[in-house]
Amino acid sequence: NAGVTQTPKFRILKIGQSMTLQCTQDMNHNYMYWYRQDPGMGLKLIYYSVGAGITDKGEVPNGYNVSRSTTEDFPLRLELAAPSQTSVYFCASSRGGLGNTIYFGEGSWLTVV
Amino acid sequence: DQQVKQNSPSLSVQEGRISILNCDYTNSMFDYFLWYKKYPAEGPTFLISISSIKDKNEDGRFTVFLNKSAKHLSLHIVPSQPGDSAVYFCAAADSGGGADGLTFGKGTHLIIQP
Repeated sequence: NAGVTQTPKFRILKIGQSMTLQCTQDMNHNYMYWYRQDPGMGLKLIYYSVGAGITDKGEVPNGYNVSRSTTEDFPLRLELAAPSQTSVYFCASSRGGLGNTIYFGEGSWLTVV
Repeated sequence: DQQVKQNSPSLSVQEGRISILNCDYTNSMFDYFLWYKKYPAEGPTFLISISSIKDKNEDGRFTVFLNKSAKHLSLHIVPSQPGDSAVYFCAAADSGGGADGLTFGKGTHLIIQP
């Protein structure tokens, strides 16, 4: 049972490079989320989506873009990577609405040097 | 400004004893609260939740208490086991706030000592 799958698990980027973190879920969940976790901090919401074709900004969206062309996939794009984007990124999904558990992927460790 | 606060970065408890993890919130619109558990190199996993219409929710060894007037919740683990050693995140949501996810605290690292 795959759940939420993120790739890559680890990546080192140079300043100014771009990359896409992939996320896919096989639970047919409508809602998907991208969070980042900095050392010693809680998770902060970057972007979220309530369904295919619909995305919205979270608390810390600057420097990122997302798309949701299918129910299953929710890639996160980093444009012009900066050292401040060094973090652990978590993709998550839920059926939607309170009372429905949010399921997280295993995380992607990104270092920008 | 942190809306969900976990003021203890770490907590050490002896195996078999009770672990009590605390969480405070400032946003009075929050009406749903969750605890997530996280092991190193893994994503957070859901542990237990409570709606603001309740003041207690129990699931096996885990009980969450909510004190709305104090804007405080706590997670009790009884008895504590070695496998409970992990980082615990308190999270909150506003049911009327749309689908914009959860607001997390910084986490408390629980260490269960043999």
